[in-house]
Amino acid sequence: GAVVSQHPSRVICKSGTSVKIECRSLDFQATTMFWYRQFPKKSLMLMATSNEGSKATYEQGVEKDKFLINHASLTLSTLTVTSAHPEDSSFYICSAKSDRANYGYTFGSGTRLTVV
Amino acid sequence: DAKTTQPPSMDCAEGRAANLPCNHSTISGNEYVYWYRQIHSQGPQYIIHGLKNNETNEMASLIITEDRKSSTLILPHATLRDTAVYYCIVRPGHSGYALNFGKGTSLLVTP
Repeated sequence: GAVVSQHPSRVICKSGTSVKIECRSLDFQATTMFWYRQFPKKSLMLMATSNEGSKATYEQGVEKDKFLINHASLTLSTLTVTSAHPEDSSFYICSAKSDRANYGYTFGSGTRLTVV
Repeated sequence: DAKTTQPPSMDCAEGRAANLPCNHSTISGNEYVYWYRQIHSQGPQYIIHGLKNNETNEMASLIITEDRKSSTLILPHATLRDTAVYYCIVRPGHSGYALNFGKGTSLLVTP
């Protein structure tokens, strides 16, 4: 139980285009989801907290107009990287917290974004 | 959040127990200790969590000292597939806030 599905697993896009990453909780409802970014050989850095039905809360230094987050339902949050640049190339990971007592935070398998 | 300190890297022979330490001397009474691991190019995987009692599941055991200022994750019989970065994180158990990752311990299991 408590499975989070993230799609796509890897994507290559051209500079200036936008890319959408989906994060779904498959067997539980997630009122809150989290988006992280991870650069090579670095730890996960929290980008934003996504709340169902309301605006996302972004961490300091993360551009909300560049990284658009939509959490339209209790099982789906999306991250759109707009006007992508090569420096946006990274590993993006989503997470959701289950209300089930035996589970902590569940993570998606990540999306490897390469901007060329 | 309470800060955690972990050794940057450890080695373990396959089949032996891997004991990964974590210091969290500023932990608060309502904060749980969570352990996650990340295998290369994958999302973090939940291992175990606990408040003050020792915990065991099919993956590992978690030993928390009586003063709760440190803990040890034990993988009883390490395999090559246990090679990963292991993160120790402290967090209030029922908070809606995200997990904040430190640098973790890179565990290398060798044949």
